[in-house]
Amino acid sequence: QQQVKQSPQSLIVQKGGIPIINCAYENTAFDYFPWYQQFPGKGPALLIAIRPDVSEKKEGRFTISFNKSAKQFSLHIMDSQPGDSATYFCAASMPSNTGKLIFGQGTTLQVKP
Amino acid sequence: ETGVTQTPRHLVMGMTNKKSLKCEQHLGHNAMYWYKQSAKKPLELMFVYNFKEQTENNSVPSRFSPECPNSSHLFLHLHTLQPEDSALYLCASSQGTRSGEKLFFGSGTQLSVL
Repeated sequence: QQQVKQSPQSLIVQKGGIPIINCAYENTAFDYFPWYQQFPGKGPALLIAIRPDVSEKKEGRFTISFNKSAKQFSLHIMDSQPGDSATYFCAASMPSNTGKLIFGQGTTLQVKP
Repeated sequence: ETGVTQTPRHLVMGMTNKKSLKCEQHLGHNAMYWYKQSAKKPLELMFVYNFKEQTENNSVPSRFSPECPNSSHLFLHLHTLQPEDSALYLCASSQGTRSGEKLFFGSGTQLSVL
């Protein structure tokens, strides 16, 4: 299975809240799991990424939690700010040289002031 | 500025028109990509080029014809499109095509097919 399933489709939180976006996959051959952030009118930009040999990675207010046995990973945004309002995509790729990155459906996050 | 420039930003075309989308990267990368972004759907990989050679064609209809004259430029030639082809077309580049490469996206061309 080449799909990556992402939820929820949309999310609204108050400033300071901790939105959590979840992704699930079936293919255990995936070895790289990035998250991309997209603002309106812009292309996606890499936010943070993880390999399956670690269970958590943190960069600033953004944390990826990875559960290899459950084949799930999630993005947590600590102390969310209105400037974090964007669409977030999880993705996965296999150890190949094809450049093929499989994206989830995206989550539109709104952080209210 | 991501270093990946796409033109035009917006395009409206009829089903019988022929148009081209242009992408240029100033990052010295070797790989370039076309992605299609439709509302409520995952980004769909269309084509991958590595060192000007096409390495991936994700079962894209022949009415989309890519061209990569060098590692810095990528075109998508469009002809006899359908209304369902209306979407945001994103170009991206990366240093290579191995798993784990960071993609740098342009801002996209919003295409409307009437």
